[in-house]
Amino acid sequence: DTEVTQTPKHLVMGMTNKKSLKCEQHMGHRAMYWYKQKAKKPPELMFVYSYEKLSINESVPSRFSPECPNSSLLNLHLHALQPEDSALYLCASSQAPSGSYEQYFGPGTRLTVT
Amino acid sequence: LAKTTQPISMDSYEGQEVNITCSHNNIATNDYITWYQQFPSQGPRFIIQGYKTKVTNEVASLFIPADRKSSTLSLPRVSLSDTAVYYCLVGDLPGGTSYGKLTFGQGTILTVHP
Repeated sequence: DTEVTQTPKHLVMGMTNKKSLKCEQHMGHRAMYWYKQKAKKPPELMFVYSYEKLSINESVPSRFSPECPNSSLLNLHLHALQPEDSALYLCASSQAPSGSYEQYFGPGTRLTVT
Repeated sequence: LAKTTQPISMDSYEGQEVNITCSHNNIATNDYITWYQQFPSQGPRFIIQGYKTKVTNEVASLFIPADRKSSTLSLPRVSLSDTAVYYCLVGDLPGGTSYGKLTFGQGTILTVHP
């Protein structure tokens, strides 16, 4: 199984809502990532988890809160978002440590903040 | 991380070989070169990674000259389904100071015509 799954596929939320994005992989990967991608732009790294511990936070606003409850799951908790946070949120995983930049990406969650 | 420069777009026809060149003049000794493919509304997919000379897998070849200041992704006999954005990335291997960090450039939009 080389699949990374993400739920939901689409999410519309108001600026006062609290919601969560979920990501799951069963490849035994110990590194997991969140990326944000705006339309017609490249993906931008947000967070990196290594062995269930946060190893990289790319100065992401605190309204985004990541969580890695176990080696297969990665959540992104959302609170008090702004309309400019509307984007495709991508989850990825890779072996860790690894001598490769091969990351497996999920299909993403299309988020719209109203 | 070394900055990369790619053509914004390229056009080709089915059955042709496509070569996409990426410039990375400031590549460091420990940097590897990685290429990803992304279809609309999907996560990126790893294509190939290399350090020097030539690397080939079942979908592409990667040519890297001796000075490593550029690289060329070669796609043999493209089809309509190869229409996508192709990203060139350069960086130290995960486990070093840039652990797992993919920094995407602007990418090349490849359009394959019938």
